[in-house]
Amino acid sequence: RKEVEQDPGPFNVPEGATVAFNCTYSNSASQSFFWYRQDCRKEPKLLMSVYSSGNEDGRFTAQLNRASQYISLLIRDSKLSDSATYLCVVGGGYQKVTFGTGTKLQVIP
Amino acid sequence: DAGVIQSPRHEVTEMGQEVTLRCKPISGHNSLFWYRQTMMRGLELLIYFNNNVPIDDSGMPEDRFSAKMPNASFSTLKIQPSEPRDSAVYFCASSFWALAGRHNYYIGELFFGEGSRLTVL
Repeated sequence: RKEVEQDPGPFNVPEGATVAFNCTYSNSASQSFFWYRQDCRKEPKLLMSVYSSGNEDGRFTAQLNRASQYISLLIRDSKLSDSATYLCVVGGGYQKVTFGTGTKLQVIP
Repeated sequence: DAGVIQSPRHEVTEMGQEVTLRCKPISGHNSLFWYRQTMMRGLELLIYFNNNVPIDDSGMPEDRFSAKMPNASFSTLKIQPSEPRDSAVYFCASSFWALAGRHNYYIGELFFGEGSRLTVL
């Protein structure tokens, strides 16, 4: 089993739609969780950290489910500018920081 | 403020040649990471350093790859000899990690450089 798994997509959604991505991780000792965004041919950049209590930043909501070992990202009211690849990142403890392979989102006009 | 600086941005070389990629992390960061990205395998962690010491190099593909961090402001990733399958984008990232207890670390945001796109013919 991969350390961090994501559905590669692509997710093609119309503008204004709500879309959700999940990411599962294998190491129950993981302590730090993040979502990064990567635009085509660019470097990854932090979108948001994921806290145990869940957190929201504008149209974006991230949640952590330790029991089932997954994190989620919800994007409401999708914009064309949200089109990108979203990378799930897990780390902490003695673990190296591991990136998922990413979920590609394409928002369609 | 300067971000993570990588060089060269692009390199095209022939199989068998030595390739050296360079990285200058953000000042004050104590952790540095080298990643490789390809369409097939996504972002793969090659090696990471904490306080200039290599912590985990299990992602280094084989002996042809080596990485050094002689001081807090500079790191290199070397491939010798290079092969066509090494073609990828190589990212360097830096961060601040703090020990939060035995075996526990607080991991700060990873800041990535713009990457070095390597093509081995």
